[in-house]
Amino acid sequence: AQSVAQPEDQVNVAEGNPLTVKCTYSVSGNPYLFWYVQYPNRGLQFLLKYITGDNLVKGSYGFEAEFNKSQTSFHLKKPSALVSDSALYFCAVRDTRSSGDKLTFGTGTRLAVRP
Amino acid sequence: DSGVTQTPKHLITATGQRVTLRCSPRSGDLSVYWYQQSLDQGLQFLIQYYNGEERAKGNILERFSAQQFPDLHSELNLSSLELGDSALYFCASSVANGVSTDTQYFGPGTRLTVL
Repeated sequence: AQSVAQPEDQVNVAEGNPLTVKCTYSVSGNPYLFWYVQYPNRGLQFLLKYITGDNLVKGSYGFEAEFNKSQTSFHLKKPSALVSDSALYFCAVRDTRSSGDKLTFGTGTRLAVRP
Repeated sequence: DSGVTQTPKHLITATGQRVTLRCSPRSGDLSVYWYQQSLDQGLQFLIQYYNGEERAKGNILERFSAQQFPDLHSELNLSSLELGDSALYFCASSVANGVSTDTQYFGPGTRLTVL
């Protein structure tokens, strides 16, 4: 079975400061990892994904994520936060050993960036 | 805009009723996925279709059913509705089947309220 944990319900950061949103995962095979963002009353927007290769993945809007196999983590980062980054962030995993292509999501982390 | 469309945006109905949610995937995408987002369960995978055939099933209730039509649009049918079925229902699409590296792109969702 595959699972994702986002240990922080909310992350607060000041504009201009770096931000990190944490994610850890559990799979039986190899993980494919994804980050999505959800703005109020909107659907999920794809930010970035890790499939294989370089552990540092760059995505949309200046976000990046670092895959760490030994710690089974895939933390989302941004060097300088913007107020407009305030939203709900979801980490998701797909297990290469599971049937179908379903994504298993974490519970989400609300990011609040104060001016 | 992800290119995935869902109708209606909002649906208010009574317990015991039946509703149909509609999804049109991005142009060229053959796989359609349905997810349910609720406060207590988070984001849960319901079902996946690929080119008209069921590919994978998740935590989908027997009262719920789905299908994908020859033009690749999909419908999710919810019957004998209960208060607990109130949720945001997302449709997502991706290019292929069994290509786990594909990104799923999400529609804006249908908010179902059961009174």
